[in-house]
Amino acid sequence: AQSVTQLDSHVSVSEGTPVLLRCNYSSSYSPSLFWYVQHPNKGLQLLLKYTSAATLVKGINGFEAEFKKSETSFHLTKPSAHMSDAAEYFCVVSVNDYKLSFGAGTTVTVRA
Amino acid sequence: DVKVTQSSRYLVKRTGEKVFLECVQDMDHENMFWYRQDPGLGLRLIYFSYDVKMKEKGDIPEGYSVSREKKERFSLILESASTNQTSMYLCASTLMDEQFFGPGTRLTVL
Repeated sequence: AQSVTQLDSHVSVSEGTPVLLRCNYSSSYSPSLFWYVQHPNKGLQLLLKYTSAATLVKGINGFEAEFKKSETSFHLTKPSAHMSDAAEYFCVVSVNDYKLSFGAGTTVTVRA
Repeated sequence: DVKVTQSSRYLVKRTGEKVFLECVQDMDHENMFWYRQDPGLGLRLIYFSYDVKMKEKGDIPEGYSVSREKKERFSLILESASTNQTSMYLCASTLMDEQFFGPGTRLTVL
């Protein structure tokens, strides 16, 4: 069965420093993978998605993620954190045409 | 712009009450979903619908039912609310493999 594990429940960074959110996936075939972001009191918004094209995927707001099959990972990075990046981030794998499986989420805090 | 709306942002109900959560999308999407979101558990799928009057159970359907009489509207029903159904409820609709989410309804059952 397809699933994802987010390795950190909380990440705290200083403004202007890099952000790394770690995600490992489990899938019996080449999966579709996503990162979603949820700002306080808002719905989830798609940051980026991987669907077996380029392994380095660029998303909105300067985020990118790299699909590494050998490590079954799909980590999310940003070179320089901004205060507006404080949010909860979800790594997601597509189970089938209809269903997604969500990780438990990583809360990002950005220190001034 | 894509729009998914939910009828209430905050709702407080009593144990045993029947509760209706409404979701409307304006994108003519076939598929719609109801999730609940709890800290440390991510989002868990309650029910989804792939067409009008069609529904399928998700991972945690117990205590819930759904209704989809029109393509744009998908309702989640708590037949007899219980305190363990206190949660954030999120509705979504799908274009291809991307899901678009509503802002959520935070339900408290006392």
